[in-house]
Amino acid sequence: AAGVIQSPRHLIKEKRETATLKCYPIPRHDTVYWYQQGPGQDPQFLISFYEKMQSDKGSIPDRFSAQQFSDYHSELNMSSLELGDSALYFCASSSRRRNTEAFFGQGTRLTVV
Amino acid sequence: AQKITQTQPGMFVQEKEAVTLDCTYDTSDPSYGLFWYKQPSSGEMIFLIYQGSYDQQNATEGRYSLNFQKARKSANLVISASQLGDSAMYFCAMREGTGAGSYQLTFGKGTKLSVIP
Repeated sequence: AAGVIQSPRHLIKEKRETATLKCYPIPRHDTVYWYQQGPGQDPQFLISFYEKMQSDKGSIPDRFSAQQFSDYHSELNMSSLELGDSALYFCASSSRRRNTEAFFGQGTRLTVV
Repeated sequence: AQKITQTQPGMFVQEKEAVTLDCTYDTSDPSYGLFWYKQPSSGEMIFLIYQGSYDQQNATEGRYSLNFQKARKSANLVISASQLGDSAMYFCAMREGTGAGSYQLTFGKGTKLSVIP
């Protein structure tokens, strides 16, 4: 069965650079979530989209932005990167209409040096 | 206040034994969902089991079962016949509301399970 695809899997950036993370949800899933998991931490909710509209906003810094496109894939854009942005970034998808479970991608490990 | 509480930072279990990982939750929303995820050292977040607040029966998925006690607001994960590959971090999570309501997952701090041969 198709799963949530995230790219890239690993990313190394320097301070003050920008990064774009991509997420391709499970087909026919209408909701995408982004999470940030720092080392040894639980995942923290950043933002979610339902049917291409932003639906909830969590602890997403102003330096970050995200959107969901017409094909339902989503991108998380991160600017002016800081050392503290080093984390595992997860995307998850679910079907709100069918009230399904949320399935996670394998994550993108971002290292800021 | 913490919405999801996992009181066991670390647990040990002998191979082939059963183990219960605790999770309590706090919500005033009558409609919610409870999830358990497994995160091995490789980092991916693997969905294990889901329990809806209106589900009458406890959820089961293979060796995983969820002991759902609604009045006590607890949703403990039971893993039967532990295997070495079960060694991982386990997260309990909650989603509140359905339809137009908030649809984010809130996670607990996790329990690190180590299976001993």
